[in-house]
Amino acid sequence: LAKTTQPISMDSYEGQEVNITCSHNNIATNDYITWYQQFPSQGPRFIIQGYKTKVTNEVASLFIPADRKSSTLSLPRVSLSDTAVYYCLVGDMDSNYQLIWGAGTKLIIKP
Amino acid sequence: GAGVSQSPRYKVTKRGQDVALRCDPISGHVSLYWYRQALGQGPEFLTYFNYEAQQDKSGLPNDRFSAERPEGSISTLTIQRTEQRDSAMYRCASSATNGNFNNEQFFGPGTRLTVL
Repeated sequence: LAKTTQPISMDSYEGQEVNITCSHNNIATNDYITWYQQFPSQGPRFIIQGYKTKVTNEVASLFIPADRKSSTLSLPRVSLSDTAVYYCLVGDMDSNYQLIWGAGTKLIIKP
Repeated sequence: GAGVSQSPRYKVTKRGQDVALRCDPISGHVSLYWYRQALGQGPEFLTYFNYEAQQDKSGLPNDRFSAERPEGSISTLTIQRTEQRDSAMYRCASSATNGNFNNEQFFGPGTRLTVL
């Protein structure tokens, strides 16, 4: 069963860069790594996705080492509005590549 | 443009009653997914459709749960003979292309079901 492991919670301060690392030791060769963000009382929202090396968009960067057994979501200069739960996801090849959602990382940004 | 919508947003029912939860995906989206989310947990997969075909229902907890998407657009998740343990947030998501969970999923606001 493909599984990801990420910290349960993290704190940071406004203006800081935040890095959330996720481990996925059993990632399948052809699977992607996807991150979603969820605010309280809302559905999850896609942030970024990558296969290897580095991906950057207007919201975040995703760093994936060559062995792909981990990935790091980087949020530059966070603000209070970045307080949310962040989910790291990979497909489970034994379950038709369904995304297996863990509890995510609860990120709290302080002023 | 319009996102994924779900109705009702809140549903309170008595144990033993049937409930129907509706999902209206983004227009033109091929795939539609149903999830259940408990407080403090990530979404739990229930089932998904490509067009009108139900591709995977392995996540449905038991035979009281069923889903349909007869015309490949709106979907209904039905729970028969509800039990208190069915109380949860039920979320629907859609994606533009078919069947690959790697595709970006757009989530609706959810239906909060409470079974008394």
